[in-house]
Formats: sequence, C-alpha cells, structure tokens
Amino acid sequence: ETGVTQSPTHLIKTRGQQVTLRCSSQSGHNTVSWYQQALGQGPQFIFQYYREEENGRGNFPPRFSGLQFPNYSSELNVNALELDDSALYLCASSRGNVRGGTEAFFGQGTRLTVV
Amino acid sequence: GESVGLHLPTLSVQEGDNSIINCAYSNSASDYFIWYKQESGKGPQFIIDIRSNMDKRQGQRVTVLLNKTVKHLSLQIAATQPGDSAVYFCAVPSGGYNKLIFGAGTRLAVHP
Repeated sequence: ETGVTQSPTHLIKTRGQQVTLRCSSQSGHNTVSWYQQALGQGPQFIFQYYREEENGRGNFPPRFSGLQFPNYSSELNVNALELDDSALYLCASSRGNVRGGTEAFFGQGTRLTVV
Repeated sequence: GESVGLHLPTLSVQEGDNSIINCAYSNSASDYFIWYKQESGKGPQFIIDIRSNMDKRQGQRVTVLLNKTVKHLSLQIAATQPGDSAVYFCAVPSGGYNKLIFGAGTRLAVHP
C-alpha cells in the first residue's frame, strides 16, 4: 500500500456529464500529479499541483481541471464527458521533484466509463 | 517531443527463468529513468531507478542496465516468479517538474 487513496474506485457516467475524482496524497507529500491511462497504454500526464497551484499541464483540453487543497489532497474535474474519456485515472503524490530522485507513489486509480 | 517505447508488448516466460524487458528513449539529455510494475487493478508501483551517470543498478532480484549510446535500458528479473506477472513500464521525468513520460508497457506472463 502506498498511502495514496483515490475515490471512487469505479464510476459510470453518461456522455456530456461532469465528474469529480478525488485523491488523498501520502502523508508529507505536497505534490500531486494526475494521469490518464487508456486500456493497453501507459499513463499520460494530465497536470500537476504543487502547494495548491497548477505546476504543469499535459496535452489535455481545458475541460480537464483540478484543485489542490491545503491538506494537499486533490480533485480532478472533467466537464462535458466524451466516450474517449473512458480510462483509468491515476493520482501520484511525491514530496518533491521526481527528477531529483523523489519517488512518486501512485494510487490504485479510478476506473471511469463513459457511456 | 520526448518519447519512450518498449520493444515487446508481451513477454512469456517459465517460472524460474530470467526475464529481460527492454525500453528505448528518444531524448539523449534524459538523466533519470524509472521502472514501474503495474498489477491488474492497481496503480504503478516503483521497482528501481537509475541515473545517467550509472550503467547498471541492482535491486532485489532486479537489475537495470542503461546504454546511453543507443538510448536503451533494460530491466532484468532473476528467477521469475508468478507474482512477477504484471505490466512493466519504463518512465522518464520530463520538464522542470514531475511529469513522467511512460512507455506503452510490456506485459510479463509467467507460466508454471
């Protein structure tokens, strides 16, 4: 167990709806990153939050947005859901820059299905 | 842009054999590499990492080899066990922050 928890574990939504996914980071970690993992693919970076500010964004449209709270937990919001948004959404927390050797710990993910 | 690719989508081995999973990367300036294991229904789990000033690093039953000349790294698993069955990803940090670029993954299937 990594100490990173995500909720819910599974979710089914209808196209056009909005969804909020939640992540509790590991104790002592101030950085949270979100990834989208389509079936059979590697995770793709959505964005990262550091001390409640967005600190980098991948190639995802603005309908993907996020928040980080003072306790460093985080939310991922997706508006106007599309069928292609069906994927496993992963949250990773770390205490600093992965490039510096700080390990990023992943949660178990939220499986989102859009119908 | 920066990319990471794995050579084989699936690798089948017999229990007890050694496994070798390969990965190629595109950015010669990459200086840090990470291997993750992802079991079914779980998030990626850190296995081992290596910096570009090293060409080999060993962990418990795992060894990572880095060849910067051809921009290739490999993960070797000794005496593969059924519990090693999973998808293995190599990942490279990109940019000035924590963005990780993942390859597509290699599924390791261990047969008794």
